[in-house]
Amino acid sequence: ETGVTQSPTHLIKTRGQQVTLRCSSQSGHNTVSWYQQALGQGPQFIFQYYREEENGRGNFPPRFSGLQFPNYSSELNVNALELDDSALYLCASSPGLAGGVADTQYFGPGTRLTVL
Amino acid sequence: DAKTTQPPSMDCAEGRAANLPCNHSTISGNEYVYWYRQIHSQGPQYIIHGLKNNETNEMASLIITEDRKSSTLILPHATLRDTAVYYCIAHKAAGNKLTFGGGTRVLVKP
Repeated sequence: ETGVTQSPTHLIKTRGQQVTLRCSSQSGHNTVSWYQQALGQGPQFIFQYYREEENGRGNFPPRFSGLQFPNYSSELNVNALELDDSALYLCASSPGLAGGVADTQYFGPGTRLTVL
Repeated sequence: DAKTTQPPSMDCAEGRAANLPCNHSTISGNEYVYWYRQIHSQGPQYIIHGLKNNETNEMASLIITEDRKSSTLILPHATLRDTAVYYCIAHKAAGNKLTFGGGTRVLVKP
């Protein structure tokens, strides 16, 4: 158990709708990262938040947005859903150490999103 | 992050050691070697990481060559529950994203 939880477990939406996925990080972890994993592929980095500010973004359009809250929770919002957005969405929390020290990311179980 | 190369699949006998190779010939000095595994439809599970020295924990051992261009993850006594996709990742210290490649699909057989 990593102490990272995600909700909901599964979700079905239709094209054009908006969705919000939630993540609760490990206590004390001030960094959260979000990944998208399409079927049969490795996870792809969406973005990272550090102390409530975006700290890097992968190759995803602006309709993917996020929020991080002081209570170690965070959200991934996706607007104007497309069929290709169907995937497993993973969040990962990490301590966010600075100064050249390894910062291990611990993953939650994921949310399976299906877009019809 | 430096590119890593892993064999796409391998089989292992239950109870035997599983040795998973990874090539990372362009790794830079501040990149750690991380290993994660993903059991079907679950989130990736952290296994171990190292910079230069060999590392061991309760799950596995990590052997990094002296030139840091390759490494081997060792599962000392594989069980059926170790069947998973194993990812080797070169990750910058305090970097943000993890770059996942194709990984190695390990099948532990009775």
